[in-house]
Amino acid sequence: LAKTTQPISMDSYEGQEVNITCSHNNIATNDYITWYQQFPSQGPRFIIQGYKTKVTNEVASLFIPADRKSSTLSLPRVSLSDTAVYYCLVGLWSSASKIIFGSGTRLSIRP
Amino acid sequence: EPEVTQTPSHQVTQMGQEVILRCVPISNHLYFYWYRQILGQKVEFLVSFYNNEISEKSEIFDDQFSVERPDGSNFTLKIRSTKLEDSAMYFCASSGARGAETQYFGPGTRLLVL
Repeated sequence: LAKTTQPISMDSYEGQEVNITCSHNNIATNDYITWYQQFPSQGPRFIIQGYKTKVTNEVASLFIPADRKSSTLSLPRVSLSDTAVYYCLVGLWSSASKIIFGSGTRLSIRP
Repeated sequence: EPEVTQTPSHQVTQMGQEVILRCVPISNHLYFYWYRQILGQKVEFLVSFYNNEISEKSEIFDDQFSVERPDGSNFTLKIRSTKLEDSAMYFCASSGARGAETQYFGPGTRLLVL
């Protein structure tokens, strides 16, 4: 199991860039890194996935250093609606049982 | 954008009763999953399903649980004799392929066992 560690909580303000870093020291060669967002009483929502270097989509960027032992989710110009729990997951969905949802990072955005 | 849908959104049942939770995965997806999340706790994997059989299951997925794809669109989770501790949000997910392709989750069914 690729264990992940991320901050329990973070606070920021509207309009700021938020970076959430996740460490995954025992990531396996074939593992992908996937980030999800979850609002209360809703299902996890896919944000971004990557294997190495940098991935960007319309919502976020994901930075993965060469050793892949950590990754950083970057949310540009956050708004109040970005207040949610963010999960960093590592593994292959072919072995979904081994992909562990930890406690995530509770991000609070203030006006 | 295609979505995973789940019904009902809420279900209240008496302990010992059977419940069936329904999911309609994204139409061209082949891999299906159930997860649960007890209030205030982590999302937990229950089972994955492909080609009409279970691929993986967790320790939580005991003999009280079963899954089925009764037709070409629905994917169901049955709990035969509900217990109080089965109260949770149940999420269905689907993916197009194994490995790198990610899972897409449904909105969940909130199950309350009294």
